[in-house]
Amino acid sequence: QTVVTQEPSLTVSPGGTVTLTCASSTGAVTGGYYPSWFQQKPGQAPRALIYSTSNKHSWTPARFSGSLLGGKAALTLSGVQPEDEAEYYCLLYYGGAQVFGGGTKLTVL
Amino acid sequence: EVQLVQSGAEVKKPGESLKISCQGFGYSFTSHWIGWVRQMPGKGLEWMGIIYPGDSDTIYSPSFQGQVTFSADNSISTAYLHWISLKASDTAMYYCARSLTGDRWSIDLWGRGTLVTVSS
Repeated sequence: QTVVTQEPSLTVSPGGTVTLTCASSTGAVTGGYYPSWFQQKPGQAPRALIYSTSNKHSWTPARFSGSLLGGKAALTLSGVQPEDEAEYYCLLYYGGAQVFGGGTKLTVL
Repeated sequence: EVQLVQSGAEVKKPGESLKISCQGFGYSFTSHWIGWVRQMPGKGLEWMGIIYPGDSDTIYSPSFQGQVTFSADNSISTAYLHWISLKASDTAMYYCARSLTGDRWSIDLWGRGTLVTVSS
């Protein structure tokens, strides 16, 4: 059973920078895992932010960026805004199927 | 406007069948994979699988293989998620999501979700 692990929770101050990571139980995450990132606020559907490691959708704010960092997929928020408080999920590809991470609850305080 | 419109909330009893829908608007429905995602109450997202409406090719997560069925009706740009016999543990919000054209593994658009409640 493949497990994708994210930090359960992180706290960041407004205007600060925070990096969320996404690790695979199978080993280092590479571009071949097509890492994607999603934001979900309470009571809302998820919203796509990043695909294929670092590509942004047309609606993705510039302060969000995706990368590979130390064998993990990473989502960095620079200049965090209060409205960025949400749950963030990564999604990885495993040769014919995909698996979501458990999510990171980001608190802006 | 490009959007996915999902059917309304359902309340069913264990053992009953159910089919929920996801209708695509504003784009070529047959050119994008549609995925289904489960979110149980208070829990995270779970990838169930995907269907390509163009030829009904389907890929199921091992966790959901045999438990649900995906289908599509291109004449009305609609994808479906079907259960033959519901269980209480199927209670969840179900989202459909569209993948980028030519890239089945990259989701760009989500529906608002269908809440399914299974209770005796």
